[in-house]
Amino acid sequence: GQNIDQPTEMTATEGAIVQINCTYQTSGFNGLFWYQQHAGEAPTFLSYNVLDGLEEKGRFSSFLSRSKGYSYLLLKELQMKDSASYLCAVMDSNYQLIWGAGTKLIIKP
Amino acid sequence: SAVISQKPSRDICQRGTSLTIQCQVDSQVTMMFWYRQQPGQSLTLIATANQGSEATYESGFVIDKFPISRPNLTFSTLTVSNMSPEDSSIYLCSASPGTEPYEQYFGPGTRLTVT
Repeated sequence: GQNIDQPTEMTATEGAIVQINCTYQTSGFNGLFWYQQHAGEAPTFLSYNVLDGLEEKGRFSSFLSRSKGYSYLLLKELQMKDSASYLCAVMDSNYQLIWGAGTKLIIKP
Repeated sequence: SAVISQKPSRDICQRGTSLTIQCQVDSQVTMMFWYRQQPGQSLTLIATANQGSEATYESGFVIDKFPISRPNLTFSTLTVSNMSPEDSSIYLCSASPGTEPYEQYFGPGTRLTVT
């Protein structure tokens, strides 16, 4: 079966760095996505990785290792507005997105 | 990116009735999708809305319960038929331009409560 695992909840301090991990087992791989979802709002696209390595976009970076079925989202210089759920999703061989359950990130002052 | 609007934003409906949710995209897109999300949970794909043909439903979802229309490349509707309290959820429309990296953009969602 297809499976995506990520921690349910994480807590971090404003100004710090946090890493949210995602491991996956899917039938085929056509890319991995990270989305941010604030409570009561729709998910918004953050990043996309299809090749191994690190993609940096401002305060957010995403890493992929296809051989390990592993990705992480790195958030630097945390701000209170970063409090949200972060969803990992993998596009399988049918170009369908398989979604993780999401990681709720709580930022404390 | 695409900007997506949904109507209604929320509704409270009685058991046994039907509700149609509209999704409008500000540009032509190849792919449109309908999801359901329970509070605090991840997204569950209901179906892919295909322009000019019948929607492709995921396991556990059927056309009689969730009929979908997609008359053109910018618009789709999802109907939740013969509703029961178990259908209470947030329904999200998404769209993808259909080119790499195939990212999906989401509408604001419709919060449905069935009493």
